[in-house]
Amino acid sequence: NAGVTQTPKFQVLKTGQSMTLQCAQDMNHEYMSWYRQDPGMGLRLIHYSVGAGITDQGEVPNGYNVSRSTTEDFPLRLLSAAPSQTSVYFCASGLTPYNEQFFGPGTRLTVL
Amino acid sequence: TQLLEQSPQFLSIQEGENLTVYCNSSSVFSSLQWYRQEPGEGPVLLVTVVTGGEVKKLKRLTFQFGDARKDSSLHITAAQPGDTGLYLCAGGANNLFFGTGTRLTVIP
Repeated sequence: NAGVTQTPKFQVLKTGQSMTLQCAQDMNHEYMSWYRQDPGMGLRLIHYSVGAGITDQGEVPNGYNVSRSTTEDFPLRLLSAAPSQTSVYFCASGLTPYNEQFFGPGTRLTVL
Repeated sequence: TQLLEQSPQFLSIQEGENLTVYCNSSSVFSSLQWYRQEPGEGPVLLVTVVTGGEVKKLKRLTFQFGDARKDSSLHITAAQPGDTGLYLCAGGANNLFFGTGTRLTVIP
């Protein structure tokens, strides 16, 4: 099993560009989530999903969209990148929010 | 938002010392999770505490869940350089929120 995979590992964008961060898991987990981690800080929840076709907002959803068309995939879209979105983005999955969360390796995003 | 505040934010100690880090909230949680994160990697689960007053031990790490299920603590005995990392507590209802984190450095 590959676990949780994220692509790309690094990305540099210019202000106003859009892009999609990919996340996939092969553990048949219903719950998936996206977090951002700014330097020296904890993780802040962006969006989450409790199953295919169901998504909801977390603490910091503005500027991001998600969809969950399959159990395996949970892409995160940046609509119009801003310097404030420079961060490390982690995708995670688990059976439920109360179970162990498995994290991907992260995507380091810089917006110039 | 169910705010989880951790203290201290930073902790630097000598190898062999004991330490305790705290996770506090005004909300009641059905369970709390503790993770450790090393530089350049995602967090990895250490333990989940479920019952108020519960104490769980993982080698030199002791986790306690408060009686009211609003707070938790992590005690490390005889810290080692390998314990260095960011310690995060997490809890939630339909989702999972993370605390602010405690960055621990153990100096050899």
